[in-house]
Amino acid sequence: SQQGEEDPQALSIQEGENATMNCSYKTSINNLQWYRQNSGRGLVHLILIRSNEREKHSGRLRVTLDTSKKSSSLLITASRAADTASYFCAPRDGNQFYFGTGTSLTVIP
Amino acid sequence: NAGVTQTPKFQVLKTGQSMTLQCAQDMNHEYMSWYRQDPGMGLRLIHYSVGAGITDQGEVPNGYNVSRSTTEDFPLRLLSAAPSQTSVYFCASSADRDPNQPQHFGDGTRLSIL
Repeated sequence: SQQGEEDPQALSIQEGENATMNCSYKTSINNLQWYRQNSGRGLVHLILIRSNEREKHSGRLRVTLDTSKKSSSLLITASRAADTASYFCAPRDGNQFYFGTGTSLTVIP
Repeated sequence: NAGVTQTPKFQVLKTGQSMTLQCAQDMNHEYMSWYRQDPGMGLRLIHYSVGAGITDQGEVPNGYNVSRSTTEDFPLRLLSAAPSQTSVYFCASSADRDPNQPQHFGDGTRLSIL
């Protein structure tokens, strides 16, 4: 499989703390995208980083990309209870996306 | 905007039955795709399309058929349902003239094969 793989599988933190999730992948990529999924819902796009970028910010989100190590990380700062969800990385190779198995984040109020 | 609409939301089938999962988008997106999501497996790409009349296989295409006669619609057909096809199915679309565009997902179809 060419899936991405997130680490850790599950993460539990207190409200206000930062959450870091990592993603490793096997393909060459055009870009890498991060998505969020609330229980029982579809995925929602969070942030996209292109293969020639190393870091990107969007609000409380910071994503890094290291193409030499085929890895990415997503940092959520000052977490809120509403951030509780599953987070997926999706490396894109051509017309195909290779979603990982996700990190389940629980933010405790 | 409606975005990506999937129907039905839930379906129970018997082994060997066939059915079509519907997906429609109102954003004039060229790229559409179907995924299945299974516990511990993440999302796996079944089929995708880069425009009307063009379809291609993803990672797990066996047992599924697709067509793209219009820009808006991308139905997924299960030819002869098997218990291994019990899953949650997601349809997604993106404006693919620029590949650096996000995908928009529907809310999913939960399918059980008995």
